[in-house]
Amino acid sequence: DVQMTQSPSSLSASIGDRVTITCRASQDISNSLAWFQQKPGKAPKSLIYAASTLQSGVPSKFSGGGSGTVFTLTITGLQPEDFATYYCQQYKSYPLTFGGGTKVEIK
Amino acid sequence: QVQLVQSGAEVKRPGASVKISCKASGNTFNNYFIHWVRQAPGQGLDWVGMINPSGGTTTYAQKFQVRLTMTRDTSTNTVYMELTSLRSEDTAVYYCATAAGYYTSPDFWGPGTLVTVSS
Repeated sequence: DVQMTQSPSSLSASIGDRVTITCRASQDISNSLAWFQQKPGKAPKSLIYAASTLQSGVPSKFSGGGSGTVFTLTITGLQPEDFATYYCQQYKSYPLTFGGGTKVEIK
Repeated sequence: QVQLVQSGAEVKRPGASVKISCKASGNTFNNYFIHWVRQAPGQGLDWVGMINPSGGTTTYAQKFQVRLTMTRDTSTNTVYMELTSLRSEDTAVYYCATAAGYYTSPDFWGPGTLVTVSS
């Protein structure tokens, strides 16, 4: 199985900040990487697929990068609605696997 | 866009079975693969398995192989997930989610079904 490791597990940031979350795969997954946002009590929402392609309707403040084994999710101009938990997921091979999540909190 | 409606919350005893459903709207049922992902209270996301409603083929996570069955009813655009021999560790919200292909990411998620296993 492909292990996905996210860092940090949590971070505190202020409104307007730029934050970057890193996701590492235990083997080469090319660009088969997705990012999800989850708010408390809600289902995950897809933000990015193919490592850097925004889902329809997702604002350009979100951006993804990387390939192979190291990937990033960057959020610019943090707003109150962006405080949530973010997960990466690989879909290069089965079983699909998720990172442990990064909780973005208000400083 | 496809709409997913999931069945209501369930409370089960250890050792029992649970069968939950995910109904997709519209005539696009056969165009999507349906994944099931669970989330235990306060924990992360855990992939359970996937069904191709078109042919009924399934792929399950190894740890659920013996206890898990996914089926579909094409007449009602509904997929089902049955988990047997429940234990307390199976307590979680179970989400269904659509994906456009076998090697694509689940991109639209249902609201989830809470399954509680407690004596």
